[in-house]
Amino acid sequence: ETGVTQTPRHLVMGMTNKKSLKCEQHLGHNAMYWYKQSAKKPLELMFVYSLEERVENNSVPSRFSPECPNSSHLFLHLHTLQPEDSALYLCASSQEKTGLGGDTQYFGPGTRLTVL
Amino acid sequence: QKEVEQNSGPLSVPEGAIASLNCTYSDRGSQSFFWYRQYSGKSPELIMFIYSNGDKEDGRFTAQLNKASQYVSLLIRDSQPSDSATYLCAVISGGYNKLIFGAGTRLAVHP
Repeated sequence: ETGVTQTPRHLVMGMTNKKSLKCEQHLGHNAMYWYKQSAKKPLELMFVYSLEERVENNSVPSRFSPECPNSSHLFLHLHTLQPEDSALYLCASSQEKTGLGGDTQYFGPGTRLTVL
Repeated sequence: QKEVEQNSGPLSVPEGAIASLNCTYSDRGSQSFFWYRQYSGKSPELIMFIYSNGDKEDGRFTAQLNKASQYVSLLIRDSQPSDSATYLCAVISGGYNKLIFGAGTRLAVHP
């Protein structure tokens, strides 16, 4: 889905490093999401931003810090991660509507993170 | 209890056959249901969404929803080797379009 881009696509970092993941959506959506996908586990929702406000924090450790400066950009700042944080991190966006029916979320290609 | 359950598979079907993928969910209040396909090493891509009880067809794909039984299924007709992937069932549960995913069913279509 070229409407949602993520950089970098691959990242290797040590436990003491600080890095950031970037997501950009070109779909005119007003909601953005961070998901984590670990091997053999379901996709886990981490954060939800609606109209640039964080509306969901799914009990994520503080070593993950999201930032949404505008409706098109979403960051995930990483610091002092653990090896078990190695996973595919996916960004998604959607256009929120009210009433019956949810909004289709479109995913970026993901960042494959390895923590040494 | 898992909120969205899928058989992990692999589900193996011959080329040209119908593949049937099933999903159950626990939140009776859920209104929106999605099927995504995920190839190995790639991100999920939307196949279909369904909101109303019954069937919804799109090309070779048919989604079926039974809210009373809390059951969603995806049928793939004339399966092709290129359909080999993991199929993720997802359900909107709670506010702010919280999308809950199942663990996925791996489908293998063999020539």
